[in-house]
Amino acid sequence: AQTVTQSQPEMSVQEAETVTLSCTYDTSENNYYLFWYKQPPSRQMILVIRQEAYKQQNATENRFSVNFQKAAKSFSLKISDSQLGDTAMYFCAFSQAGGTSYGKLTFGQGTILTVHP
Amino acid sequence: DSGVTQTPKHLITATGQRVTLRCSPRSGDLSVYWYQQSLDQGLQFLIQYYNGEERAKGNILERFSAQQFPDLHSELNLSSLELGDSALYFCASSLYNEQFFGPGTRLTVL
Repeated sequence: AQTVTQSQPEMSVQEAETVTLSCTYDTSENNYYLFWYKQPPSRQMILVIRQEAYKQQNATENRFSVNFQKAAKSFSLKISDSQLGDTAMYFCAFSQAGGTSYGKLTFGQGTILTVHP
Repeated sequence: DSGVTQTPKHLITATGQRVTLRCSPRSGDLSVYWYQQSLDQGLQFLIQYYNGEERAKGNILERFSAQQFPDLHSELNLSSLELGDSALYFCASSLYNEQFFGPGTRLTVL
């Protein structure tokens, strides 16, 4: 079974600064997907960024980028130029790329990020 | 707006009762997933349907059941409710490997 671990329960950052959220995972699969989801106070789950395990290039989406280290099973999220609207709970998630559990998301415990003005 | 709709938004009921949560996926999405978010268990996968058929099961209690109808909407039925079933229940849909979540149904069992 896959597990996802987020070791930082809470983080804070000043507006316009950069912050990195950590995530590690455990799997015996070779093909899979990794995601970061954002959950603001509204509780809506919003997809921030995704990474395919077969791609060596790290995914980037505007101010959000990841550092994917497959051998280390590490998948961190970097938020540049932090904005007040980035304040939210962030979840790291894993999904197999095939098999009977294809598509099912396994989530980490979440990291609460607070951006201060 | 993800395009996934869930009704109702809030549900308050008593222990022992039965409720039905409804989900309409994004147009064209064949897969529907149900997740439960609670304070003590975090976000957990419950069950997945693909084009009307059950595809995968997670930590879903026997008191819970789900189905996906020919028009692809899905319902999650929760029966013999207990206090511990109070949670936020999410539905998500996907066509390939990216899931889009609905706004959730907040269930409170008193």
